[in-house]
Amino acid sequence: AIQLTQSPSSLSASVGDRVTITCRASQGISTALAWYQHKSGKGPQLLIYDASTLQTGVPSRFSGSGSGTDFTLTISGLQPADVATYFCQQFDSYPLTFGGGTKVEIK
Amino acid sequence: QVQLVESGGGVVQPGKSLTLSCAASGFTFSDYAMHWVRQAPGKGLEWVAVTSYDGRYRNYADSVKGRFTTSRDNSNNTLYLQMNSLRAEDTAVYYCVRRVFTGAHGDYWGQGTLVTVSS
Repeated sequence: AIQLTQSPSSLSASVGDRVTITCRASQGISTALAWYQHKSGKGPQLLIYDASTLQTGVPSRFSGSGSGTDFTLTISGLQPADVATYFCQQFDSYPLTFGGGTKVEIK
Repeated sequence: QVQLVESGGGVVQPGKSLTLSCAASGFTFSDYAMHWVRQAPGKGLEWVAVTSYDGRYRNYADSVKGRFTTSRDNSNNTLYLQMNSLRAEDTAVYYCVRRVFTGAHGDYWGQGTLVTVSS
């Protein structure tokens, strides 16, 4: 199975800060990567797919980049509504796998 | 709007069985493949199973293969997960997820249902 290593596991930043989360795959997955936002008590919300395509309705402050094994999720201008845990997921092959998650808090 | 509502979770003893349901609405259920994904307490997400739009193709994580069966009733817009021989490590929130047409990832998730395996 393809392993995804996500970092950092948690971060604290100020409102308006630029935040970057990284996800590294154990083997090349082209651009078969998605990012999700998960708030407590709710189902995860798809933010980005195909590594860099913004899901309809997601604020433009979210962006994704990367291909092969290294990927990033960037929040340009952190907002209080962005407090959540963020997961990457590879869909290059089964079993689908997820990164360990990054918990984002406001400083 | 797309809605996925899981039900059937609860407390069950090790070795017993439980069936989860996922009621879908707001889209043509029979057009979409569906996943089950779970999250154990304090852990990350784990993909569990997928079923094709017509239920003919199914794939499972090694951790549940031979014990869990996913199925669907397209006439009633419902997805199922039959879980047998439950273990403590199956304790998790279980989510149903709609798979997109163009890839294997999911675009809509339910709110989840908690399964606790404990004596």
